Amino acid sequence: NAGVMQNPRHLVRRRGQEARLRCSPMKGHSHVYWYRQLPEEGLKFMVYLQKENIIDESGMPKERFSAEFPKEGPSILRIQQVVRGDSAAYFCASSTGTYISEAFFGQGTRLTVV
Amino acid sequence: EDKVVQSPLSLVVHEGDTVTLNCSYEVTNFRSLLWYKQEKKAPTFLFMLTSSGIEKKSGRLSSILDKKELFSILNITATQTGDSAVYLCAVGTAGNKLTFGGGTRVLVKP
Repeated sequence: NAGVMQNPRHLVRRRGQEARLRCSPMKGHSHVYWYRQLPEEGLKFMVYLQKENIIDESGMPKERFSAEFPKEGPSILRIQQVVRGDSAAYFCASSTGTYISEAFFGQGTRLTVV
Repeated sequence: EDKVVQSPLSLVVHEGDTVTLNCSYEVTNFRSLLWYKQEKKAPTFLFMLTSSGIEKKSGRLSSILDKKELFSILNITATQTGDSAVYLCAVGTAGNKLTFGGGTRVLVKP
């Protein structure tokens, strides 16, 4: 698990600001998944990316949320004009892409919108 | 829409007790069922199940899958306080997507 690096670990934003969450996958992993966990709830799938491609974004809200995984650098989950309801823990997982069971999770970013 | 339901939502036991956690699912293009343990941080992988009736064991934890009735159970025997956590069940489907249940919160008291 230590191989998937997320930063920042904690992020506080005021309503209307932008939040940028970063995820560096494990070495050798080219598939990244973002999940959101609301307090007292399970993990909800948001988006699945490979390098330079969005494969499945069926869990992403249609507005204000976007994700990318460039050829170089970490995957970024971007939330524009944050609202209180965006407060959650955002987890990233990475895998080689063969089977999801090889996915390892990062420590998560806890976003608080005040 | 793919759905994974876990029960109970939470339970409290004493050290030495045995707990059984349930996970039922309704998904399209099932590939695997996974159990994770989450303790205030990243979920850690416990088991992956793909075939019915074959029990997976790791120490005091074991799990089995029933693909006909669409459920899995996770057993923890001789519980210890270190087993206190949220246990998450997830179903993997074609397209490499994981759908998670809401989790079962287990508290083991000394």
